[in-house]
Amino acid sequence: RKEVEQDPGPFNVPEGATVAFNCTYSNSASQSFFWYRQDCRKEPKLLMSVYSSGNEDGRFTAQLNRASQYISLLIRDSKLSDSATYLCVVTLTGKSTFGDGTTLTVKP
Amino acid sequence: GAVVSQHPSWVICKSGTSVKIECRSLDFQATTMFWYRQFPKQSLMLMATSNEGSKATYEQGVEKDKFLINHASLTLSTLTVTSAHPEDSSFYICSARGVAPGELFFGEGSRLTVL
Repeated sequence: RKEVEQDPGPFNVPEGATVAFNCTYSNSASQSFFWYRQDCRKEPKLLMSVYSSGNEDGRFTAQLNRASQYISLLIRDSKLSDSATYLCVVTLTGKSTFGDGTTLTVKP
Repeated sequence: GAVVSQHPSWVICKSGTSVKIECRSLDFQATTMFWYRQFPKQSLMLMATSNEGSKATYEQGVEKDKFLINHASLTLSTLTVTSAHPEDSSFYICSARGVAPGELFFGEGSRLTVL
């Protein structure tokens, strides 16, 4: 089993749609959780940290469920510019493990 | 603006040659940097942790003698792919830790193509 598993995707959605990505992690001792965005042939960039209380940044909402070892990312009102690969990242004692990523394509 | 700069962005070389990739932290000191490799449609795989002033820590399965890492200063880590072969062609990315726990700043990445 992979340490971090994500929805395989790809997700193809129309503009304005709401889309949700899921991620599970295997190590219950994991300490920090993040969503990164990676555009084609570019480096990953931090989208948002994920907290147990849930956090929201504009159209993006992230949620962490430690009991289920599950992380989610919700994107509302999808824009064409949201098209990218979204990486779930889990960190333990300074070491970060990346999921394989979920590719989102938002179409007009 | 970028806080971690990586160079070169892309490089094409002949099989058997060595290629050096630089990773610099801008305006901050990075005692620890990380080197990753990413093949098409796959995630980032940590290759090694680069520690300033000491030997790098390599992940299982990564050849130390093939991927030489030097972290001689607080702002520069280098990865040298020695005797590169076509199977080494990949996207190599470095990162440095941010202030928040687990936060990472990535370099722009270096795309290596070995002919």
